[in-house]
Amino acid sequence: DTGVSQNPRHKITKRGQNVTFRCDPISEHNRLYWYRQTLGQGPEFLTYFQNEAQLEKSRLLSDRFSAERPKGSFSTLEIQRTEQGDSAMYLCAGQTMVGDTEAFFGQGTRLTVV
Amino acid sequence: EDQVTQSPEALRLQEGESSSLNCSYTVSGLRGLFWYRQDPGKGPEFLFTLYSAGEEKEKERLKATLTKKESFLHITAPKPEDSATYLCAAYGNTGGFKTIFGAGTRLFVKA
Repeated sequence: DTGVSQNPRHKITKRGQNVTFRCDPISEHNRLYWYRQTLGQGPEFLTYFQNEAQLEKSRLLSDRFSAERPKGSFSTLEIQRTEQGDSAMYLCAGQTMVGDTEAFFGQGTRLTVV
Repeated sequence: EDQVTQSPEALRLQEGESSSLNCSYTVSGLRGLFWYRQDPGKGPEFLFTLYSAGEEKEKERLKATLTKKESFLHITAPKPEDSATYLCAAYGNTGGFKTIFGAGTRLFVKA
């Protein structure tokens, strides 16, 4: 158990609808990352938070995507006006601030856009 | 641009047949090289972190090594439960805070 929880585990939505995912890391994870993973590929970086500040955002992240981390605890990732190409596994990872240590992943949210 | 390439894409082994997975990286100022295991439908599970060339780490049947251009994950006498996708990832000085992942090697171990 990595201590990183993601909800929901699965989400099926119709094209054009908005969806929101939640990530709850442990309190020691000052750093939080969102990744997207499609079948047969490795995780692809989306965005990074240090406490409540969003410090980095991938150029691949269109303006339909937004992420927040109020109070530096849990984080949400929202996708507006979903498209079929958004179908993927969305992964959250938490990391401590101590050096360049490993990140610990949650179980992911599988999004299917129909 | 930072890049991580893994080979082979897939590897089929008989139980007990040792082998190695390769991870080639092009990352400016490497600060960490990570190995993860991923089972179908689940998030990646952390295995090892390597920081400098020459470093080695072991865990059960797995051993990770690092050179200035590559990392290897050696699997000794694998068992069917070692079947999974193994992901390599790197983190350097110019990539901001993002970690670059390879596409993974899918390992199948047959009893």
